[in-house]
Amino acid sequence: QITLRESGPTLVKPTQTLTLTCTFSGFSLTANGVFVAWTRQPPGKALEWLALIYWDDDKRFSPALKTRLTITKDTSKHQVFLTMTNMDPVDTATYFCAHSAYSGYDLLPFDHWGQGLLVTVSS
Amino acid sequence: QSVLTQPPSVSAAPGQKVTISCSGSSSNIGSNFVSWYQQLPGTAPKLLIYEDNKRPSGIPDRFSGSKSGTSATLGITGLQTGDEADYYCGTWDGTLSAFWVFGGGTKLTVL
Repeated sequence: QITLRESGPTLVKPTQTLTLTCTFSGFSLTANGVFVAWTRQPPGKALEWLALIYWDDDKRFSPALKTRLTITKDTSKHQVFLTMTNMDPVDTATYFCAHSAYSGYDLLPFDHWGQGLLVTVSS
Repeated sequence: QSVLTQPPSVSAAPGQKVTISCSGSSSNIGSNFVSWYQQLPGTAPKLLIYEDNKRPSGIPDRFSGSKSGTSATLGITGLQTGDEADYYCGTWDGTLSAFWVFGGGTKLTVL
């Protein structure tokens, strides 16, 4: 059974750096084709994809936020980390991590999600 | 504002059919598979459709997906009150599928 859980601070101040952790179980991030992504959702608004990291350490970022984001992994601890710099109140959102993998030749994007973590940016 | 355009809301009566559109461009929908996600209130999104028209195990065949050119469509038949949720399309975009994009979401109301 695949599970993911987001953790980190729920309140950060403007200009601070946010670091979130996605702790997962039920799969290995060393297996071919597996990747973990971060997505956020401001209150009452749409999903916004942020970044992903592949099993081979390849990384992809939202063009709009690329300069502020870093994504890394610790496969031995089954964790993926997202860092976002220069936080602003508009970054207030629920942050989700999600698993993706191939089933045979089929890619199932974001087939398992964490419950999400609400991060509020306020002074 | 998302590069994938969805209607903000749709509605239909229980038992009826509804479709939700997702319009993009040649760099995203036109050259990549589309997925659809259902987000019930207060919960995380759930994968409904992948690779344009395939359903993960456990997703009923009331849900279907299709694609033509740079637009995709989610269809839901036999509407139930439990289908009331936000629905999002998503796909890769950019050169060599450089990044992922979601649509702006559609609120389905089952009257």
